[in-house]
Amino acid sequence: SAVISQKPSRDICQRGTSLTIQCQVDSQVTMMFWYRQQPGQSLTLIATANQGSEATYESGFVIDKFPISRPNLTFSTLTVSNMSPEDSSIYLCSVVSLVVGYTFGSGTRLTVV
Amino acid sequence: GQQLNQSPQSMFIQEGEDVSMNCTSSSIFNTWLWYKQDPGEGPVLLIALYKAGELTSNGRLTAQFGITRKDSFLNISASIPSDVGIYFCAGQLRALQGSQGNLIFGKGTKLSVKP
Repeated sequence: SAVISQKPSRDICQRGTSLTIQCQVDSQVTMMFWYRQQPGQSLTLIATANQGSEATYESGFVIDKFPISRPNLTFSTLTVSNMSPEDSSIYLCSVVSLVVGYTFGSGTRLTVV
Repeated sequence: GQQLNQSPQSMFIQEGEDVSMNCTSSSIFNTWLWYKQDPGEGPVLLIALYKAGELTSNGRLTAQFGITRKDSFLNISASIPSDVGIYFCAGQLRALQGSQGNLIFGKGTKLSVKP
């Protein structure tokens, strides 16, 4: 499977600020996704990160709040903008390809105070 | 939207016992996956199922993809303390249903093992 490096692993942020999370994969992958896992909950897809074009967002998630970049086939960023305590969650990067299957990063644990 | 109904929500078992959990859905899935998540970590893939009726083992773990592609179970035999964690089922919808490769997750089964 692919090795995914996700940074930062955790952060405590002030309300109203923004945090950018990075996801680096050790091989080129077809598809990259960003998920959110609220405390004690399951994983919910935020968006599909498309290489070279705008991300595809799921219902309930918008680009202004969660801007995503994917400049190449091994890297993506998710920004959580204008944070509030309700944004406190684990944010996970995931990749899919025929070679590596379905793999998750170890997540970014975000606490907004 | 599509949902995966995972049960049980939690289990408290004695070391050495066998465990069984399952997921059902009204939707047909192309792929079915079982993950385990330890505290502070991302989900780790345990077993991937691609064919209807497929039965796959990974050590003490066995999973099957239902014939209708709408359900799956995961069994853990002879549980040990390190089996503790949250187990998630996840499915990828069939291509005709607009799947782009993203997964839909069940709500998880929290497993506790008493030594």
